Amino acid sequence: KQEVTQIPAALSVPEGENLVLNCSFTDSAIYNLQWFRQDPGKGLTSLLLIQSSQREQTSGRLNASLDKSSGRSTLYIAASQPGDSATYLCAPEAGSYQLTFGKGTKLSVIP
Amino acid sequence: DTGVSQNPRHKITKRGQNVTFRCDPISEHNRLYWYRQTLGQGPEFLTYFQNEAQLEKSRLLSDRFSAERPKGSFSTLEIQRTEQGDSAMYLCASSSFRDTNQPQHFGDGTRLSIL
Repeated sequence: KQEVTQIPAALSVPEGENLVLNCSFTDSAIYNLQWFRQDPGKGLTSLLLIQSSQREQTSGRLNASLDKSSGRSTLYIAASQPGDSATYLCAPEAGSYQLTFGKGTKLSVIP
Repeated sequence: DTGVSQNPRHKITKRGQNVTFRCDPISEHNRLYWYRQTLGQGPEFLTYFQNEAQLEKSRLLSDRFSAERPKGSFSTLEIQRTEQGDSAMYLCASSSFRDTNQPQHFGDGTRLSIL
């Protein structure tokens, strides 16, 4: 059974700082991994999908990396802004199109 | 592309009542998924449809839960004889069939509260 761990559980940074969110998973036989953000009381917004054959994927200030063999992914956020405050979730897809989620990292960017 | 739509946004009901939620996926997305999220946890997979066929069901989906997707368009999730433990956010997602690496797009969910 796939298990996903996200560290840290919560993070508070001043505006403008670069930061890294970590995700580890136990079953390396994945097709891809998605990163999402979730605002309070809302659904999930897809940020990046990184395929198992890729090492990195970039969108604007976001960069996701994937090391499938070691079961790790990181989400790098450059020049953080208060609007980036949210919970960030990673979810590998390991077959049957099921996503397995971690508990997320709650990010607070302080103006 | 109007996004995934879920109704109602909130549902409050007494224990033992039946409830039904609706999900309208992004048009032309033939894969549809249901997840459940409790407070402080990530979403957990419940079930998956490809067109009208329900292809996968989690062990979390007890006999009291049933999901349908008639004609491969919208989907409904029904919970019979609700229990306190059913209180959660129920999320729907959809994705395209074009290949295996298509992102899942989520709706804003239906929050269920059991009194």
